[in-house]
Amino acid sequence: DIVMTQTPFSLSVTPGQPASISCKSSQSLLHSDGKTYLYWYLQKPGQSPQLLIYEVSSRFSGVPDRFSGSGSGTDFTLQISRVEAEDVGRYYCMQGIQLPRTFGQGTRVEIK
Amino acid sequence: EVQLVESGGGLVQPGGSLRLSCAASGFTFSTYWMTWVRQAPGKGLEWVANIKEDGSQKYYVDSVKGRFTISRDNADNSLFLQMNSLRVEDTAVYYCTRGVTMFDPWGQGTLVTVSS
Repeated sequence: DIVMTQTPFSLSVTPGQPASISCKSSQSLLHSDGKTYLYWYLQKPGQSPQLLIYEVSSRFSGVPDRFSGSGSGTDFTLQISRVEAEDVGRYYCMQGIQLPRTFGQGTRVEIK
Repeated sequence: EVQLVESGGGLVQPGGSLRLSCAASGFTFSTYWMTWVRQAPGKGLEWVANIKEDGSQKYYVDSVKGRFTISRDNADNSLFLQMNSLRVEDTAVYYCTRGVTMFDPWGQGTLVTVSS
């Protein structure tokens, strides 16, 4: 199985400041079709997860443009340009190139 | 509105069985892969199983193979997870979600507690 490793485990951010979460996969997520199957999900407190970013850098419908994804191969980053109070929760990366799908352990983002 | 609503969770003894259901609405259910994801209390997300649009392909995480069965009824817009030989470590909130990699939307989840 592909192991997804996220850092840091938790992040405390002042509103308006940037935040960055790293995700590393144990195998390349670049498929022969040219796409890289890396996704980011956010689980807000008490809610179900929601899709933020697909295929490394594409924002899902309705996701604010302060969220951006980057990376390639095995190294990926989720960035929030200016953190807002509504961004608190646990962020997960997930690989979609191989079954079983596997998630990172999550990064908890809180507001200072 | 696209919606998924899970049901069927509850308290069950180790070795017991439970059948989860997920009612889909607001989209053409029969044209989407569907997936179950679970989350143990205070833990992260774990992919459990998925099923192709027509039910012809099903995949499972190793820890549930031979014990869980995913199925669907496209006429009734419903997804199921039959869980047998339940273990304490199967205790989790079980979410159904649409898709094979891009999971959206997610249901509200149903809690399964395996305990004596």
